[in-house]
Amino acid sequence: AQKITQTQPGMFVQEKEAVTLDCTYDTSDPSYGLFWYKQPSSGEMIFLIYQGSYDQQNATEGRYSLNFQKARKSANLVISASQLGDSAMYFCAMRGSGGYQKVTFGTGTKLQVIP
Amino acid sequence: DSGVTQTPKHLITATGQRVTLRCSPRSGDLSVYWYQQSLDQGLQFLIQYYNGEERAKGNILERFSAQQFPDLHSELNLSSLELGDSALYFCASSEDPTEGDYGYTFGSGTRLTVV
Repeated sequence: AQKITQTQPGMFVQEKEAVTLDCTYDTSDPSYGLFWYKQPSSGEMIFLIYQGSYDQQNATEGRYSLNFQKARKSANLVISASQLGDSAMYFCAMRGSGGYQKVTFGTGTKLQVIP
Repeated sequence: DSGVTQTPKHLITATGQRVTLRCSPRSGDLSVYWYQQSLDQGLQFLIQYYNGEERAKGNILERFSAQQFPDLHSELNLSSLELGDSALYFCASSEDPTEGDYGYTFGSGTRLTVV
């Protein structure tokens, strides 16, 4: 079974500062994928970044980077230079190996960017 | 526009009624997933279809059913509705459930309110 844990229900960050959203996971699959999604107040789910368990380097997508520490089973999202538009819910998610694997989501972290 | 189309966007209905939510996957995607997002919970996986066949089942109630048609669109049927079924229902699609650096592509969701 897969489990995603996000321990920060809510966070505040000053505009232009960097922020780290925590995510830990548990799985027995030998290979897996880790994702982060953003859900603004409008409700849609927006894909941000992906990390494969065998990827040697941490994934980066613009201002988003994923701090992947496999031994610690953590996949923290780092947002640099926060913008007001970054205020949203952020979900960490994982897909196990093999075919037809569903993606399991964490409970989310609500990020609020303060001007 | 993500390419995944969900209709209707909003639905208000009474307890005991039955509704059908529709999802058209992104062009080329064979796999469709349904998720339920309640106010106090994260995204709960309901069911997955791949090319017309059910592939994985999650926490889907017996009052709920789904299917994927030959043209790959999917419908989620919710019957004997209860107040607790009020939620945002997401459909997501992917090309190949074993691949994808981007997890799913989500639709904008159907917000169901049971009164």
